[in-house]
Amino acid sequence: TQLLEQSPQFLSIQEGENLTVYCNSSSVFSSLQWYRQEPGEGPVLLVTVVTGGEVKKLKRLTFQFGDARKDSSLHITAAQPGDTGLYLCAGDNNDMRFGAGTRLTVKP
Amino acid sequence: DTAVSQTPKYLVTQMGNDKSIKCEQNLGHDTMYWYKQDSKKFLKIMFSYNNKELIINETVPNRFSPKSPDKAHLNLHINSLELGDSAVYFCASSQWGTNTGELFFGEGSRLTVL
Repeated sequence: TQLLEQSPQFLSIQEGENLTVYCNSSSVFSSLQWYRQEPGEGPVLLVTVVTGGEVKKLKRLTFQFGDARKDSSLHITAAQPGDTGLYLCAGDNNDMRFGAGTRLTVKP
Repeated sequence: DTAVSQTPKYLVTQMGNDKSIKCEQNLGHDTMYWYKQDSKKFLKIMFSYNNKELIINETVPNRFSPKSPDKAHLNLHINSLELGDSAVYFCASSQWGTNTGELFFGEGSRLTVL
């Protein structure tokens, strides 16, 4: 059983569409991070959310941390082919545990 | 300059062999990790060292032995390699106790056991 469940597992959309991916858990985290991983590379941090209910924006990406600090979502507006990659959430519970990821493909 | 560097990037070997993967970070971090990413891309923590001391040791076969000669290095030695050990192994580092706890990853070492 994974500590963090991510959905959907795979997502394929056309350029310009909007999308939301989710990261859910039954555990409470002191913070939660989102990473993006491209083929042949290691994950790279996009954002860290710390406060319940927190919303952070990074250009076309909007991250939200649930009020109870158990879940998070990532919304991408007007997706572009450059957004293609594996999106991983990771929860801090004295060590960083990762979800299985959402593989996003944005077609031109 | 590469912040977290791993060598080798690719490793192909036969079952039963012993191999090592090296990792070095030049970020001045005090904590280093080994993660294993399987074919389904699930990233699972294996070990964590803080100031050369082991602080996380997940349920990993004792054929895997990490060694941290100093804060900037964390090597992974694997004995008697098995087919199921095939995966991409990522080294990462962070600064313990920071608010964000960002992990900086290396590019990964793809191990293929034949």
